[in-house]
Amino acid sequence: DGGITQSPKYLFRKEGQNVTLSCEQNLNHDAMYWYRQDPGQGLRLIYYSQIVNDFQKGDIAEGYSVSREKKESFPLTVTSAQKNPTAFYLCASRIGLASNEQFFGPGTRLTVL
Amino acid sequence: AQKVTQAQTEISVVEKEDVTLDCVYETRDTTYYLFWYKQPPSGELVFLIRRNSFDEQNEISGRYSWNFQKSTSSFNFTITASQVVDSAVYFCALSERTDSWGKFQFGAGTQVVVTP
Repeated sequence: DGGITQSPKYLFRKEGQNVTLSCEQNLNHDAMYWYRQDPGQGLRLIYYSQIVNDFQKGDIAEGYSVSREKKESFPLTVTSAQKNPTAFYLCASRIGLASNEQFFGPGTRLTVL
Repeated sequence: AQKVTQAQTEISVVEKEDVTLDCVYETRDTTYYLFWYKQPPSGELVFLIRRNSFDEQNEISGRYSWNFQKSTSSFNFTITASQVVDSAVYFCALSERTDSWGKFQFGAGTQVVVTP
Protein backbone atom coordinates (compact mmCIF):
# COMPACT_ATOMS: atom_id res chain seq x y z
CA ASP A 1 0.00 0.00 0.00
CA GLY A 2 1.18 3.52 -0.77
CA GLY A 3 1.49 5.98 2.03
CA ILE A 4 3.61 7.91 4.47
CA THR A 5 5.22 6.25 7.44
CA GLN A 6 6.61 7.98 10.48
CA SER A 7 8.59 6.27 13.15
CA PRO A 8 8.54 5.92 16.00
CA LYS A 9 4.95 6.69 17.09
CA TYR A 10 6.12 7.81 20.54
CA LEU A 11 9.56 9.08 21.36
CA PHE A 12 11.10 10.11 24.63
CA ARG A 13 14.35 11.95 24.97
CA LYS A 14 16.37 13.47 27.70
CA GLU A 15 16.92 17.17 27.73
CA GLY A 16 20.03 18.15 25.79
CA GLN A 17 19.95 15.20 23.38
CA ASN A 18 19.44 15.38 19.66
CA VAL A 19 16.81 13.08 18.19
CA THR A 20 15.88 12.21 14.60
CA LEU A 21 12.33 11.58 13.46
CA SER A 22 11.86 9.41 10.42
CA CYS A 23 9.52 10.12 7.50
CA GLU A 24 9.29 7.86 4.48
CA GLN A 25 6.85 7.96 1.57
CA ASN A 26 6.34 5.55 -1.32
CA LEU A 27 3.89 7.78 -3.17
CA ASN A 28 6.55 9.16 -5.51
CA HIS A 29 5.68 12.65 -4.28
CA ASP A 30 8.04 15.50 -5.05
CA ALA A 31 7.46 17.71 -2.03
CA MET A 32 7.70 16.82 1.64
CA TYR A 33 6.93 18.82 4.77
CA TRP A 34 7.40 18.78 8.53
CA TYR A 35 4.87 20.36 10.86
CA ARG A 36 4.72 20.80 14.57
CA GLN A 37 1.44 20.71 16.46
CA ASP A 38 1.08 21.77 20.08
CA PRO A 39 -1.99 20.91 22.18
CA GLY A 40 -5.05 22.83 21.06
CA GLN A 41 -3.17 24.56 18.30
CA GLY A 42 -2.88 24.37 14.57
CA LEU A 43 0.00 23.16 12.45
CA ARG A 44 3.15 25.19 12.16
CA LEU A 45 5.58 24.56 9.31
CA ILE A 46 9.14 23.65 10.31
CA TYR A 47 10.82 22.78 7.00
CA TYR A 48 9.78 21.77 3.54
CA SER A 49 11.45 20.35 0.47
CA GLN A 50 10.17 20.51 -3.07
CA ILE A 51 12.96 18.52 -4.71
CA VAL A 52 15.80 16.24 -3.67
CA ASN A 53 18.84 17.96 -2.17
CA ASP A 54 16.92 21.16 -1.58
CA PHE A 55 14.83 22.38 1.33
CA GLN A 56 13.53 25.64 2.78
CA LYS A 57 12.89 26.89 6.28
CA GLY A 58 9.33 27.21 7.40
CA ASP A 59 7.98 29.46 10.11
CA ILE A 60 9.66 27.78 13.09
CA ALA A 61 12.91 26.24 11.81
CA GLU A 62 15.14 27.27 14.71
CA GLY A 63 16.46 24.26 16.61
CA TYR A 64 15.61 21.83 13.80
CA SER A 65 17.50 20.43 10.83
CA VAL A 66 16.53 18.27 7.86
CA SER A 67 18.04 16.49 4.88
CA ARG A 68 16.58 15.32 1.58
CA GLU A 69 19.08 12.93 0.05
CA LYS A 70 16.41 10.68 -1.39
CA LYS A 71 13.01 11.50 -2.85
CA GLU A 72 11.24 9.14 -0.49
CA SER A 73 12.89 10.23 2.75
CA PHE A 74 12.84 13.48 4.73
CA PRO A 75 14.20 12.98 8.26
CA LEU A 76 13.86 15.71 10.87
CA THR A 77 16.44 16.21 13.61
CA VAL A 78 15.35 17.98 16.75
CA THR A 79 18.49 19.44 18.22
CA SER A 80 19.30 20.43 21.76
CA ALA A 81 18.94 24.04 20.62
CA GLN A 82 15.18 23.61 20.35
CA LYS A 83 14.01 25.08 23.64
CA ASN A 84 10.62 23.43 23.87
CA PRO A 85 10.63 20.31 21.70
CA THR A 86 7.77 18.40 23.33
CA ALA A 87 5.06 18.29 20.65
CA PHE A 88 3.32 16.21 18.02
CA TYR A 89 5.24 16.14 14.73
CA LEU A 90 3.54 15.50 11.43
CA CYS A 91 5.18 14.73 8.11
CA ALA A 92 3.38 15.33 4.83
CA SER A 93 4.01 14.96 1.13
CA ARG A 94 2.53 16.34 -2.05
CA ILE A 95 2.78 15.44 -5.71
CA GLY A 96 4.28 17.97 -8.09
CA LEU A 97 2.85 21.40 -8.67
CA ALA A 98 -0.40 20.66 -10.44
CA SER A 99 -2.10 18.83 -7.60
CA ASN A 100 -1.91 20.48 -4.24
CA GLU A 101 -3.42 18.43 -1.48
CA GLN A 102 -0.94 17.23 1.10
CA PHE A 103 -1.03 13.69 2.42
CA PHE A 104 -0.08 13.19 6.05
CA GLY A 105 1.67 10.53 8.03
CA PRO A 106 0.41 9.25 11.39
CA GLY A 107 2.70 11.54 13.38
CA THR A 108 5.33 11.16 16.09
CA ARG A 109 4.70 12.36 19.61
CA LEU A 110 7.95 13.58 21.12
CA THR A 111 8.28 14.05 24.84
CA VAL A 112 11.34 15.57 26.46
CA LEU A 113 11.92 14.32 29.98
CA ALA B 1 -0.25 37.83 10.07
CA GLN B 2 -2.76 35.03 10.28
CA LYS B 3 -3.89 34.18 6.78
CA VAL B 4 -6.46 31.59 7.75
CA THR B 5 -8.84 32.25 10.61
CA GLN B 6 -11.06 29.69 12.21
CA ALA B 7 -12.82 31.70 14.87
CA GLN B 8 -14.61 28.75 16.44
CA THR B 9 -12.39 26.93 18.90
CA GLU B 10 -14.87 24.21 19.79
CA ILE B 11 -18.37 23.27 18.76
CA SER B 12 -20.42 20.78 20.74
CA VAL B 13 -23.58 19.25 19.29
CA VAL B 14 -25.88 16.36 19.90
CA GLU B 15 -25.96 13.62 17.31
CA LYS B 16 -28.07 14.40 14.22
CA GLU B 17 -27.65 18.14 14.58
CA ASP B 18 -25.99 20.06 11.75
CA VAL B 19 -22.59 21.65 12.30
CA THR B 20 -21.14 24.53 10.31
CA LEU B 21 -17.45 25.38 10.58
CA ASP B 22 -16.30 28.82 9.56
CA CYS B 23 -13.10 29.63 7.70
CA VAL B 24 -11.99 33.08 6.61
CA TYR B 25 -8.82 33.54 4.59
CA GLU B 26 -6.64 36.38 3.44
CA THR B 27 -4.64 36.49 0.23
CA ARG B 28 -3.58 38.91 -2.49
CA ASP B 29 -3.16 36.16 -5.05
CA THR B 30 -5.79 35.65 -7.70
CA THR B 31 -4.87 31.98 -7.94
CA TYR B 32 -5.01 29.93 -4.77
CA TYR B 33 -6.37 26.72 -3.32
CA LEU B 34 -8.39 26.12 -0.17
CA PHE B 35 -8.63 22.86 1.74
CA TRP B 36 -10.41 21.19 4.60
CA TYR B 37 -8.77 18.46 6.64
CA LYS B 38 -10.09 16.29 9.46
CA GLN B 39 -7.89 15.20 12.37
CA PRO B 40 -9.47 12.37 14.40
CA PRO B 41 -8.10 11.46 17.83
CA SER B 42 -5.53 9.15 16.20
CA GLY B 43 -3.73 12.27 14.99
CA GLU B 44 -3.36 11.72 11.25
CA LEU B 45 -4.85 14.46 9.10
CA VAL B 46 -7.32 13.28 6.49
CA PHE B 47 -7.88 15.34 3.35
CA LEU B 48 -11.56 16.20 2.77
CA ILE B 49 -11.81 18.71 -0.06
CA ARG B 50 -9.87 21.13 -2.25
CA ARG B 51 -11.26 24.20 -4.01
CA ASN B 52 -9.42 26.49 -6.43
CA SER B 53 -10.01 30.22 -6.56
CA PHE B 54 -11.78 30.02 -9.92
CA ASP B 55 -14.37 27.49 -8.83
CA GLU B 56 -17.02 28.96 -6.57
CA GLN B 57 -19.46 26.16 -7.18
CA ASN B 58 -20.55 24.77 -3.85
CA GLU B 59 -20.37 21.06 -3.36
CA ILE B 60 -22.22 18.39 -1.49
CA SER B 61 -20.68 15.03 -0.78
CA GLY B 62 -22.83 12.77 1.33
CA ARG B 63 -23.31 14.51 4.68
CA TYR B 64 -20.61 17.09 3.92
CA SER B 65 -21.11 20.34 2.06
CA TRP B 66 -18.92 23.34 1.37
CA ASN B 67 -19.75 26.99 0.76
CA PHE B 68 -17.01 28.99 -0.97
CA GLN B 69 -17.60 32.74 -1.30
CA LYS B 70 -14.77 34.86 -2.71
CA SER B 71 -16.66 38.08 -1.99
CA THR B 72 -16.35 37.44 1.73
CA SER B 73 -13.15 35.34 1.59
CA SER B 74 -14.90 32.49 3.29
CA PHE B 75 -14.81 28.73 2.80
CA ASN B 76 -17.28 27.21 5.25
CA PHE B 77 -17.90 23.54 5.86
CA THR B 78 -21.12 21.90 7.04
CA ILE B 79 -21.72 18.45 8.43
CA THR B 80 -25.37 17.47 8.12
CA ALA B 81 -26.93 15.08 10.61
CA SER B 82 -23.75 14.77 12.64
CA GLN B 83 -22.57 11.44 14.00
CA VAL B 84 -20.26 10.55 16.88
CA VAL B 85 -17.60 9.54 14.34
CA ASP B 86 -17.49 13.14 13.16
CA SER B 87 -15.86 14.13 16.43
CA ALA B 88 -12.46 15.49 15.43
CA VAL B 89 -10.50 18.65 14.86
CA TYR B 90 -11.15 20.24 11.49
CA PHE B 91 -8.57 22.43 9.78
CA CYS B 92 -8.94 24.89 6.96
CA ALA B 93 -5.82 25.58 4.87
CA LEU B 94 -4.68 27.94 2.11
CA SER B 95 -2.07 27.43 -0.64
CA GLU B 96 -1.00 30.48 -2.63
CA ARG B 97 0.71 30.78 -6.02
CA THR B 98 3.25 33.26 -4.65
CA ASP B 99 4.63 30.50 -2.42
CA SER B 100 5.24 28.39 -5.53
CA TRP B 101 2.71 26.02 -4.04
CA GLY B 102 5.29 25.16 -1.42
CA LYS B 103 3.63 26.20 1.79
CA PHE B 104 0.24 25.65 3.29
CA GLN B 105 -1.21 28.11 5.77
CA PHE B 106 -3.36 26.27 8.31
CA GLY B 107 -5.99 27.72 10.56
CA ALA B 108 -5.92 26.96 14.27
CA GLY B 109 -8.57 24.29 13.89
CA THR B 110 -12.08 23.77 15.26
CA GLN B 111 -12.74 20.92 17.67
CA VAL B 112 -16.08 19.27 16.94
CA VAL B 113 -17.59 17.19 19.71
CA VAL B 114 -20.64 15.12 18.85
CA THR B 115 -22.40 13.45 21.75
CA PRO B 116 -24.97 10.66 21.48
